[in-house]
Parts: sequence; structure tokens; C-alpha cells
Amino acid sequence: SQTIHQWPATLVQPVGSPLSLECTVEGTSNPNLYWYRQAAGRGLQLLFYSIGIDQISSEVPQNLSASRPQDRQFILSSKKLLLSDSGFYLCAWSDTRTNAYNYGYTFGSGTRLTVV
Amino acid sequence: AQKVTQAQTEISVVEKEDVTLDCVYETRDTTYYLFWYKQPPSGELVFLIRRNSFDEQNEISGRYSWNFQKSTSSFNFTITASQVVDSAVYFCALSERSGGYNKLIFGAGTRLAVHP
Repeated sequence: SQTIHQWPATLVQPVGSPLSLECTVEGTSNPNLYWYRQAAGRGLQLLFYSIGIDQISSEVPQNLSASRPQDRQFILSSKKLLLSDSGFYLCAWSDTRTNAYNYGYTFGSGTRLTVV
Repeated sequence: AQKVTQAQTEISVVEKEDVTLDCVYETRDTTYYLFWYKQPPSGELVFLIRRNSFDEQNEISGRYSWNFQKSTSSFNFTITASQVVDSAVYFCALSERSGGYNKLIFGAGTRLAVHP
């Protein structure tokens, strides 16, 4: 069965420090991968999506970047964190082999990032 | 453009009350899918239901039921005899097919608090 792992679960970082959040998927190949952010008390905002290795698209301009060095690995990064980067970050995947349009996403457990 | 509106920001009920969470969507697609997700305090998004645009039958799963009305572009979610464990943020989402991947458009979410 497919599983998605996301870490760390919580993170407190000072302003100006770098960031690296990692997400991996097991039990499938060539998944579509996504990063979402949820600011406190807000909805879900799509940050990045990827349909393949080194194929990353950004939905909104921001202080963050994403990379996909391997088929089932998706990394969210920042060189210098801002206070406004605080939030709950969720990784998700969908299956491209089936009609993934129908099935929505499976989400990871999330990373709660606090920038101080 | 696709859009999902959850007008109820927060709902507070007493245990055993019935509660309905509203979801209104906008899309130009003739084929689309709608979803409901639950986000408990732990943060992880839990898939509840998927409904395609050609199936307007209402669905019931235990205490949960969903009313899909294409004529009013609504996909409402009712919890019967609510319980404290139902306390969570609930998200309605609409799938959009875009350039080889499926993109979920989320509503802002409705926070449900069920009090004993």
C-alpha cells in the first residue's frame, strides 16, 4: 500500500535561517506531488506541484522553493525564513497511473513551522 | 475560474445536535469532482468523500450524509447526532484538471466545535 511520510512534525526556526522540509512517498511510482501551506486559522494554499523529477511549478510567488531530486521525494526549502513563513505545511500526492483527477490527494501528517 | 466557498467560518453545537456544513462551488467544467476532507486537531487531512458531477444521488455513511445539488452548485455535508470527536475543521474541495495533473481547489474551511 502507498504511504506518505513528512518530517519534521514541528520546527521552530529563527528569522533569516534556512529551511528544508522533506516528503517521501512509498508504494507508488511517478506520483504527482504537492506542497500546501495553511496559515493559522486560514485555508489551504497550494504552493508547488510536481509531475515528475525536476519538474516543479509554483502557484504563488514567495520566499520558498521546491525540488524533486528523486521520483518519490519532494523537498520544500528556503534560504532565509521570514516571520510570514510560519504555518502548517502539508505534502500530498496523487496517482498519475489511474485517473487521478477522480481521486483527490492523500496528505502527509504535516509540519508545523514557527518562525521566531 | 474554479472557486469553492464555505461561508460558515465557525459552527458551535451541543452534542447530539445535527449540523450542516455548506459548500458552494463554481466551475466551467462539465465533468468535475467534489471532495470533503476532515482536519482534526492533529492537523492531518482525512478524506471523507468524493462525488463526481454526473452522480447527484445523496450519500449516507453512518452519521454522515452529503447532499449534492448541481442546479445550485452546492455540496453540503450533514452530521447527524454530532459527537465531540466530530470537532475539526472541514474542507470542501473541487478538482480541476490542468496540464496533466489534477489540482484541488479548497474552500476556506469550516471549524466545527461540538460541546458535551
